Amino acid sequence: TQLLEQSPQFLSIQEGENLTVYCNSSSVFSSLQWYRQEPGEGPVLLVTVVTGGEVKKLKRLTFQFGDARKDSSLHITAAQPGDTGLYLCAGGLTSGTYKYIFGTGTRLKVLA
Amino acid sequence: NAGVTQTPKFRILKIGQSMTLQCTQDMNHNYMYWYRQDPGMGLKLIYYSVGAGITDKGEVPNGYNVSRSTTEDFPLRLELAAPSQTSVYFCATRRGGNTDTQYFGPGTRLTVL
Repeated sequence: TQLLEQSPQFLSIQEGENLTVYCNSSSVFSSLQWYRQEPGEGPVLLVTVVTGGEVKKLKRLTFQFGDARKDSSLHITAAQPGDTGLYLCAGGLTSGTYKYIFGTGTRLKVLA
Repeated sequence: NAGVTQTPKFRILKIGQSMTLQCTQDMNHNYMYWYRQDPGMGLKLIYYSVGAGITDKGEVPNGYNVSRSTTEDFPLRLELAAPSQTSVYFCATRRGGNTDTQYFGPGTRLTVL
């Protein structure tokens, strides 16, 4: 069974602080997606990384895919209350069937 | 475009009852997925479809059935509902090809008592 573990599970920080969320597995993935989910809604895609070592930036968010394509990180600089939500990583399986495994989730709360 | 729509939004079932969760998309995407999300957790894949007439099991298919007779619709059937099926159910689509982006519906919150 392939697993994606996220850490930390919960994070409560003050506005302006920096944070990093980790997504780890022992399995190799063809791609890695990061989603954000607001209460009562479905997840919305933030970014997809596909190449080992790839780094992508989305305003204050920086995403990195591990060299071996087994792990990823999401770094938020100067967090804002609007960043509050559930962050999910999802790994694309390499079997070619286009199935995805979702991580356990990190619930972030940014206090004003 | 409505994207991905799911009905109903909320439902309470008694143990042993059956129901169908509806999912419809207007994006002409080939791939469709059903996930469940338990409180505070990530999503687990129940079933998926790569096109009309083709479905396959995900991680947690027991107690569920699906069909895909058209590109647009991908209903999820629960037979003999159990308390363990209390969850939020999300339908998602993906265009196909090299894109990994999944588009999610708003979810159906199901409680089995």
